[in-house]
Amino acid sequence: AQTVTQSQPEMSVQEAETVTLSCTYDTSESDYYLFWYKQPPSRQMILVIRQEAYKQQNATENRFSVNFQKAAKSFSLKISDSQLGDAAMYFCAYPLNTGNQFYFGTGTSLTVIP
Amino acid sequence: KAGVTQTPRYLIKTRGQQVTLSCSPISGHRSVSWYQQTPGQGLQFLFEYFSETQRNKGNFPGRFSGRQFSNSRSEMNVSTLELGDSALYLCASSLGPDSRITKGYTFGSGTRLTVV
Repeated sequence: AQTVTQSQPEMSVQEAETVTLSCTYDTSESDYYLFWYKQPPSRQMILVIRQEAYKQQNATENRFSVNFQKAAKSFSLKISDSQLGDAAMYFCAYPLNTGNQFYFGTGTSLTVIP
Repeated sequence: KAGVTQTPRYLIKTRGQQVTLSCSPISGHRSVSWYQQTPGQGLQFLFEYFSETQRNKGNFPGRFSGRQFSNSRSEMNVSTLELGDSALYLCASSLGPDSRITKGYTFGSGTRLTVV
């Protein structure tokens, strides 16, 4: 069965600094996708970044990038130049190959200190 | 372009009652998925509908049910409410049957259900 593990319940970062959120997963599939979602106090989950497992290049979206280690089944999220608006819960997610059923990690609560 | 709309935003119900939650997906999106979010269990998949058919179902009791209408709007129903059903219920829509290709879901802001 697929599992997604986030071992850091809470993290904090100084504004303008860099922080890395960890995620590990388990799967027997060779081709899959991984996602990071952000949930601010407004409750709406927002897509941060997506990685396709067959691509060796790490995905990047502006200040957000991932470190994808397929052999280690690790998928960490790096946030550079942290901003106050980055404060939120961050969830790592693994979608089943049926397409629209996701497994989510337990989340990491990120605090940005001004 | 309107986002995913969930109504109501907040709901308080009594044990034993039933409740219906509504989700209107983004226009053109044909898939709607539902998740339950609780502090203890995190985000858990309830079910997914695509073109009015339930494609996948999570590990929830039969008290949890749903449906999708021809305009892609979806409802989920919980009968005989229990205290443990108190949660944030999130709806997510995607264009087609495989949201991984289209960069994942678009989520609504959820319905906060409190059972007393």
